[in-house]
Amino acid sequence: DQQVKQNSPSLSVQEGRISILNCDYTNSMFDYFLWYKKYPAEGPTFLISISSIKDKNEDGRFTVFLNKSAKHLSLHIVPSQPGDSAVYFCAASPCDYKLSFGAGTTVTVRA
Amino acid sequence: EAEVAQSPRYKITEKSQAVAFWCDPISGHATLYWYRQILGQGPELLVQFQDESVVDDSQLPKDRFSAERLKGVDSTLKIQPAELGDSAMYLCASSLVPSGAYNEQFFGPGTRLTVL
Repeated sequence: DQQVKQNSPSLSVQEGRISILNCDYTNSMFDYFLWYKKYPAEGPTFLISISSIKDKNEDGRFTVFLNKSAKHLSLHIVPSQPGDSAVYFCAASPCDYKLSFGAGTTVTVRA
Repeated sequence: EAEVAQSPRYKITEKSQAVAFWCDPISGHATLYWYRQILGQGPELLVQFQDESVVDDSQLPKDRFSAERLKGVDSTLKIQPAELGDSAMYLCASSLVPSGAYNEQFFGPGTRLTVL
């Protein structure tokens, strides 16, 4: 039962443009959301998070938006850089319980 | 910079054989997690330790999988016997304080298991 869904397996974007990654969830008990980034041959690394009491969190070039009514969150990367080419996982947790991960979106930033 | 260590990085085995994976978390991290990531899917939690105690092993196939963290530091995940469907990446993660998701989890590079 996939409670966190990333429906776009891949995304290609030109360097300098905006990357928008989407994530949908089904569990209304989720109250904390995270994005992880993964390079080949490495483990995932934490990127940014957002609590359900907020609708936006920004950290440098990365911004996460949360729409609770639509059970949807998105990650914006502006501007996209070649080093952003990686797999991005959306994850969610209910009440500090264990994380549920999406299947990931592979981002390729073209020069 | 402190990292989570895992070994081996790659393991090829035949079905019905036993395999074991090792994880050494970041020093001082009380919480340790084992995840399984099947190709094309996100990581799925198999077992969570708080020090040497199991907090959650609800998704661990206990008929063939076992995990231990005897001294509350490093941990071993074992599969016996391995099945074709066990082919996956096995990720270990650790976090500093007892919690689920609110505190950052640091992941190791994983062990890629292929069962033939």
